[in-house]
Amino acid sequence: DAGVIQSPRHEVTEMGQEVTLRCKPISGHDYLFWYRQTMMRGLELLIYFNNNVPIDDSGMPEDRFSAKMPNASFSTLKIQPSEPRDSAVYFCASSLAREREKLFFGSGTQLSVL
Amino acid sequence: GENVEQHPSTLSVQEGDSAVIKCTYSDSASNYFPWYKQELGKRPQLIIDIRSNVGEKKDQRIAVTLNKTAKHFSLHITETQPEDSAVYFCAASGGYGNKLVFGAGTILRVKS
Repeated sequence: DAGVIQSPRHEVTEMGQEVTLRCKPISGHDYLFWYRQTMMRGLELLIYFNNNVPIDDSGMPEDRFSAKMPNASFSTLKIQPSEPRDSAVYFCASSLAREREKLFFGSGTQLSVL
Repeated sequence: GENVEQHPSTLSVQEGDSAVIKCTYSDSASNYFPWYKQELGKRPQLIIDIRSNVGEKKDQRIAVTLNKTAKHFSLHITETQPEDSAVYFCAASGGYGNKLVFGAGTILRVKS
């Protein structure tokens, strides 16, 4: 298995633009998580899904952020409009139901909003 | 909700020495405590974990200890090597909301 796959690896955009981050979890995994990593706030859970259904989105910073999981092999995190303070590394992670806390992280997307 | 504090924020050791990183958590219902290693520019990777029904777990040069009464757990790395240099994150889950909450991380530098 190739592991959790995220794209793009790097994204540079201008303030006000829409940004879409993509994630393909490990095949067979039941849970999918989106985390944001910054120097100031560390690793923050934004939202997680179980069997494609959003379970907890209390970490999503504001309405500019949205996430979807249309099927078991694909999820997106969208920021519209983007702001400079959204600059961070965004990680996607997945896990099996029987060991849901054991997260397998993707390589992350380094987002820079100018 | 759960709050995880991690110390120290940076740690420098000489190759061959031991390194200890400590974490405390706030939610007494938490029952799962993993440690992740993140090399520069890479993804966090699980290196060891412990559940609340045991007090210690070892895997070669790394070990984790848990004190549920005091609500703290520690990562021990013996015979450190330059490739151990990375950021280490502790985490806790199983309590309110059952979400994995991470500590702020410890930058470990192993000097050769």
